[in-house]
Amino acid sequence: DQQVKQNSPSLSVQEGRISILNCDYTNSMFDYFLWYKKYPAEGPTFLISISSIKDKNEDGRFTVFLNKSAKHLSLHIVPSQPGDSAVYFCAAQSSGSARQLTFGSGTQLTVLP
Amino acid sequence: DTEVTQTPKHLVMGMTNKKSLKCEQHMGHRAMYWYKQKAKKPPELMFVYSYEKLSINESVPSRFSPECPNSSLLNLHLHALQPEDSALYLCASSQRQGVVGYTFGSGTRLTVV
Repeated sequence: DQQVKQNSPSLSVQEGRISILNCDYTNSMFDYFLWYKKYPAEGPTFLISISSIKDKNEDGRFTVFLNKSAKHLSLHIVPSQPGDSAVYFCAAQSSGSARQLTFGSGTQLTVLP
Repeated sequence: DTEVTQTPKHLVMGMTNKKSLKCEQHMGHRAMYWYKQKAKKPPELMFVYSYEKLSINESVPSRFSPECPNSSLLNLHLHALQPEDSALYLCASSQRQGVVGYTFGSGTRLTVV
């Protein structure tokens, strides 16, 4: 049972436009959500996070939105750049002593020049 | 130093071989993790070490044997692996177990022949 779902395996966007990556979750115990970016042959790189008590967190070109009632979060990248082309993983951490990361299946973003 | 270093980057081993993967960090992090990632799948947690003690074993087969000799090093000893164990093995660390924003290494690409 996938607790974190990224239903779009791939997304193509024109350079300069907005990229919107979506993520849904089922576990109400998650209290932190993170986005990781991964290039081929490299480990995931932490990008941005959001606490469940917030609905928006912004860092430069990256903004994460959280809709708790819908159990949905999204990552907006504006403007998109060719260097943003990578696999983006949504991840969630649950409250409690374990607090392990649960990853979604990833979305391959391709930014076209 | 803000990196997690994994060696080797690539490893090819036979099913009767014994090999070890190494992970090192000098950020003072006291939690270290092993993840396994198959192609087009999210990273899956294998082991968690907290303050050099095994905290979580996600029902990993005994042919994978983790070791944490000190707070900076994490090893994964491999013995009698199967071809289906071929994957990218990722090491990560965090300040303490469950703290938001793990730092991942670049991984070891393991091929079992």
